[in-house]
Amino acid sequence: SQTIHQWPATLVQPVGSPLSLECTVEGTSNPNLYWYRQAAGRGLQLLFYSVGIGQISSEVPQNLSASRPQDRQFILSSKKLLLSDSGFYLCAWSLTPSTGQFFGPGTRLTVL
Amino acid sequence: QQQVKQSPQSLIVQKGGISIINCAYENTAFDYFPWYQQFPGKGPALLIAIRPDVSEKKEGRFTISFNKSAKQFSLHIMDSQPGDSATYFCAASISWDYKLSFGAGTTVTVRA
Repeated sequence: SQTIHQWPATLVQPVGSPLSLECTVEGTSNPNLYWYRQAAGRGLQLLFYSVGIGQISSEVPQNLSASRPQDRQFILSSKKLLLSDSGFYLCAWSLTPSTGQFFGPGTRLTVL
Repeated sequence: QQQVKQSPQSLIVQKGGISIINCAYENTAFDYFPWYQQFPGKGPALLIAIRPDVSEKKEGRFTISFNKSAKQFSLHIMDSQPGDSATYFCAASISWDYKLSFGAGTTVTVRA
């Protein structure tokens, strides 16, 4: 069966510091991978998605970036965090566009 | 521009009652409609999904009703239990598009 991992689970970072969140998927090959952000009590905002190694599509222009160095690894980064980057970051995977996306446990990021 | 509109924002139901969440969409190209359940601090979990070639799908106490002509679909939670207290998101996608359009979410509280 497929499993999706995210780490760290929680993170507290100062404004202006760098960020690296990691997501890995087990039990499948060539998944589509997604990064979402969820503000407190709000809906899901798609940040990036990837259909293959090195292929990244950006949905929201901001100071975040994503990379996919391996088939089942997806990384979310920032060079300098802003207060507005605080939120719950979720990674998800899917096999085809027409099937559901499956979410990881999330990373709670607090920028102080 | 929100492509999927979800209502109500929140609802309270007594144990054993029926919870009903409604979603409406505009894009007639949508052909996949999943529902997600999210508990506090956790990632959303795919609950049930429907395609427009059927008008209803039932899995246990959860039922999706789909009205293609009205461009609406709804989630019914029968015999609601305190363990069903969560936030529910509807979503929609097109089979060739990698992205899901999410509703804003409905927080369901089941009182014992």
